[in-house]
Amino acid sequence: EVQLVESGGGLVQPGGSLRLSCSGSGLSFSTYGIHWVRQAPGKGLEYVSAISDNGESTHYADSVKGRFTISRDNSKNTLFLLMSSLRVEDTAVYYCVKDGGYSYGYGYDYWGQGTLVTVSS
Amino acid sequence: DIQMTQSPSSLSASVGDRVTITCRASQSISSSLNWYQQKPGKAPKLLIYAASSLQSGVPSRFSGSGSETDFTLAISSLQPEDFASYFCQQTYLTPRTFGQGTKLEIK
Repeated sequence: EVQLVESGGGLVQPGGSLRLSCSGSGLSFSTYGIHWVRQAPGKGLEYVSAISDNGESTHYADSVKGRFTISRDNSKNTLFLLMSSLRVEDTAVYYCVKDGGYSYGYGYDYWGQGTLVTVSS
Repeated sequence: DIQMTQSPSSLSASVGDRVTITCRASQSISSSLNWYQQKPGKAPKLLIYAASSLQSGVPSRFSGSGSETDFTLAISSLQPEDFASYFCQQTYLTPRTFGQGTKLEIK
C-alpha cells in the first residue's frame, strides 16, 4: 500500500522558518516526481512546488518562489520543503502528493494526510 | 498561469439526482484535466484523469467529458457518500492549477 506521511508542521511567527518532511512507503520512491499542494483553511487547493524523480528539476509557484526550497533524499524515501520568510498567508494544510505521470494524466494519484502550518504572532 | 474556473461554486441536490459540474480553462489544455473529490478533514482523492478516464476503484456513476477549454464532471445518481467538494485541475502546463472548487450539499 502506497503511503505518504507528512510531518514538521506547527505554529511559527511571521518571518520564521519551518521544514516539512514527507516519508514515502509502498512505492519505488525514486521513480516518481513528488509535489507539495496546500490548502488554506476553508479555501481551495494551491500548487506549491514540484521536484523530479532524481531531484535535478524543481519548480515553484510564484507565491513561494525565493522563500521555499524543495528537495529529496531518495536513499531515505523522503521529501522536504524548507519554508523561510513565512507569511500569514502561508497558513495552510500542506499535502505531499505523488505525480501519477503519463499513465494518470499527470494527476495526483496518492496524497498524504497533510500537515498544518500556522503562521501567526 | 492557466486559470481554471468551476461552476457552480455550490450545489444542492438530493440522493438519486444527476448533477453536473463544469470547469473552464483560460486557454486550450487538450484533455489534460483531472477531477478530485474531497471530504471534510480528508485529503483529496483522484476521480477522473485525462478528462474522461475513471481512476481505479471509483464508481461508474462518475464520468468526465470535454476537451480544449470546456469540461464536465457528471454524477449519474447521487449517493449519500458523494456529498463533498470537487476540484478540477489542469496538467497541461506547470503550475498545475486547480479550479476554486464546487461544494455539493444535500438538499
